[in-house]
Amino acid sequence: QQQVKQSPQSLIVQKGGISIINCAYENTAFDYFPWYQQFPGKGPALLIAIRPDVSEKKEGRFTISFNKSAKQFSLHIMDSQPGDSATYFCAASANYGQNFVFGPGTRLSVLP
Amino acid sequence: DGGITQSPKYLFRKEGQNVTLSCEQNLNHDAMYWYRQDPGQGLRLIYYSQIVNDFQKGDIAEGYSVSREKKESFPLTVTSAQKNPTAFYLCASTTGQGRAYNEQFFGPGTRLTVL
Repeated sequence: QQQVKQSPQSLIVQKGGISIINCAYENTAFDYFPWYQQFPGKGPALLIAIRPDVSEKKEGRFTISFNKSAKQFSLHIMDSQPGDSATYFCAASANYGQNFVFGPGTRLSVLP
Repeated sequence: DGGITQSPKYLFRKEGQNVTLSCEQNLNHDAMYWYRQDPGQGLRLIYYSQIVNDFQKGDIAEGYSVSREKKESFPLTVTSAQKNPTAFYLCASTTGQGRAYNEQFFGPGTRLTVL
């Protein structure tokens, strides 16, 4: 019940395309859902996060869609760029961001 | 600049040795965390500390130990009891309990290799 499932494991997108990464969870106590971006050999960095009281949040080219009833949330990267090539992790936490549970990650490659 | 520093960046250990990974933060955060990252497995929580002089085991604490004597420091010792320690280790921090929607900040990581 503490797991966060993430798909796909890897994704290849052409420059300018839309990248979509999906996550699902079981624990209804989760109340904070961040996405992290990680470049090789670096620590993850927060990209965008959403709370369950909204269904969508957009920041620039990055959008989180959240479906509370389905217990799913997804990251959309519009106009994908080669510089977006990285590993993306979804995560979830209860109690306003205390301990986090991470998905296994999606390796995104954006072809020039 | 505020942030989290980890040292060393690369660490090599012989079997049977204990090694200590350093993590320091100047963000004035109460909570600190250690994660282990293996390819294709995401981040797994080793230990966390919500306050000085207190820490709890995470999901994979066996073979690891920590201390939290100062708010800004949370060193991780990988002991000889950890059977497969080769991994990328990440330290993180958040503002702590009672704060709304904590962003978790990560350090740059330490790559540990057992020879």
